[in-house]
Parts: sequence; structure tokens; C-alpha cells
Amino acid sequence: SYVLTQPPSVSVAPGKTARITCGGNNIGSKSVHWYQQKPGQAPVLVIYYDSDRPSGIPERFSGSNSGNTATLTISRVEAGDEADYYCQVWDSSSDHPKVFGGGTKLTVL
Amino acid sequence: QVQLVQSGSELKKPGASVKVSCKASGYTFTSYAMNWVRQAPGQGLEWMGWINTNTGNPTYAQGFTGRFVFSLDTSVSTAYLQISSLKAEDTAVYYCARGGMIIDDAFDIWGQGTMVTVSS
Repeated sequence: SYVLTQPPSVSVAPGKTARITCGGNNIGSKSVHWYQQKPGQAPVLVIYYDSDRPSGIPERFSGSNSGNTATLTISRVEAGDEADYYCQVWDSSSDHPKVFGGGTKLTVL
Repeated sequence: QVQLVQSGSELKKPGASVKVSCKASGYTFTSYAMNWVRQAPGQGLEWMGWINTNTGNPTYAQGFTGRFVFSLDTSVSTAYLQISSLKAEDTAVYYCARGGMIIDDAFDIWGQGTMVTVSS
């Protein structure tokens, strides 16, 4: 089955830029979605189709996808951005076709 | 507004069954797929499968066949997840999540989650 690899944790100071990566074999050929999950809450979609933002998501959130790595970038990080972030793709060849990465805990220092 | 509201927490004994509901509102229920996602305590998200709300046809991910059943009642815009022969390892939060009918669409709306605890 298709595997998505995320760093377990990323730390960033307020006001700086956080980059969370999602690695997968030729992930650049797939559509990547990103979800934010705060403690005790349901996930929220923050980026879909690599780089599109749902309404209500701040412009500080952006995404890119190329080669073997997709990246979620959060600019001007705020304390309220502290959460777990998950990438997700659809892999047609897998018996578990909708795949999530293992998640990255973003800590705002 | 568009939302998915799930049924409340459940405490079940091993071997019992549980049925979780997910009621949709604010949109045409049959225009979107319904997915189910599991999150074990302290763990990540795991996609369980989805159900086509037009045809009622379910698709189960590997590891979620046999004891897991997705169903619908379109008259009340509600999707259901039933788990039978519960085991301790089924203890988790179960989410319903709306997806588009295009296979690689994102999950744009999520229910609040239902905690299922299996313990003797």
C-alpha cells in the first residue's frame, strides 16, 4: 500500500514560517489534501488539491506538491496554529486507497 | 449551515455491537459521498471506507471488512456505521466525513466524532 511519511514534530517561533512535509513515491502526480486537528476536536480541511484553500482558512496557509514531497507552509505562525497536521492522498493502486500520513505535531514555541 | 452531527459516546462490552449515526444538514445529502475515519487513542487518522449516498453501495478499506457495515437512511439524511463482535482494539473515535463524488476529493466537512469504548 502507498505510504505517506511526515515528520512527527515541527517547532516554530511565533511570527515565523512553518513547513510541514509529506513524502511519498511520486506524490507530485497525486492530489494532496491537508487537515488540521486540534486536541479534542475533529479534523478541519485547510488545503485541498495541493494548494487550494477552503473558504475561511487564512491566506497564511499554503501548499505545494512536486516530485516526492508535498509541503504545507504556514506563514506568520500564531499560537492558535498549534495542532496536528495530516496529509492525505488517493492512491488508485492501493487496497487502502485513501491514505493519511502519520501526522505532524506543530508546536509554537 | 453545512454540518454533520454524530451520535453520542458509547461504552460496550466485548462481543457486543454498536451503531453510530451521522446526520447531515445544510446540503443535499445524496450529492456527496460519506466516508468513515477511525482514530485510535493517541494515534493518527485511518480511512475505513465510504458509501455512495446515491446508490447505497459501500466500499470498505482493507482491515474493515466483515464486522463493519455502512448504511444510509436518505429520508432523514443520515449515514450509519455498525460494528459487530466488538473487540478492545475497536476502542477509538469514529468520524464521518463528507467527500465529493470525485474519487480523489478531499473530506471537506467532518462530524464531531463518536467515542466508542470497548471494555469488560
